[in-house]
Amino acid sequence: GAVVSQHPSWVICKSGTSVKIECRSLDFQATTMFWYRQFPKQSLMLMATSNEGSKATYEQGVEKDKFLINHASLTLSTLTVTSAHPEDSSFYICSATGTDGRETLGSSTDTQYFGPGTRLTVL
Amino acid sequence: LAKTTQPISMDSYEGQEVNITCSHNNIATNDYITWYQQFPSQGPRFIIQGYKTKVTNEVASLFIPADRKSSTLSLPRVSLSDTAVYYCLVGGEAAGNKLTFGGGTRVLVKP
Repeated sequence: GAVVSQHPSWVICKSGTSVKIECRSLDFQATTMFWYRQFPKQSLMLMATSNEGSKATYEQGVEKDKFLINHASLTLSTLTVTSAHPEDSSFYICSATGTDGRETLGSSTDTQYFGPGTRLTVL
Repeated sequence: LAKTTQPISMDSYEGQEVNITCSHNNIATNDYITWYQQFPSQGPRFIIQGYKTKVTNEVASLFIPADRKSSTLSLPRVSLSDTAVYYCLVGGEAAGNKLTFGGGTRVLVKP
């Protein structure tokens, strides 16, 4: 259980275009989803937290108008990188916490289960 | 959010036990300690989580002293495929369940 998928796994786009990345919880209801960004040889950096049906909360320094997050259902969150530029090239990873309908996943409510990541390359 | 400190890297050999200690002096009362494993170009994989004393599952053990200011992840009999970055994180509902990733520990298992 607690499987999170991301689509696409990689994407290459031209500068100025927008790219949408999907994050899905396959076997549980994700009440909260998180979006991270990871540059080569670096750790994960939290970009934003989204709760189903609410506006996302962005971390300091993350432009909310550039990184649009939608969490319209309990199993899907999307991250849209608008007007992408080469400096946006990175590895984007989502994670989710929630319940499988019977009990809270993990031993605490903060157990995050991560997707496989999406490699974005902006030319 | 509690800050964590881990060794940058560790080398080991196949079949050995690897112990990675993480310091988290500012851990809050309701925080849990969670360890993740990450391979290159993949999302982190949940390994183990605990609150106090000792937790064991099929892949690892987690030792937490009474003061909870540190924790040790123990990987028994590592293999080459255990070469990865291991992250120690603390967090809980009080922090909105947010996790702050530190630098992690890069473990290299040699033949």
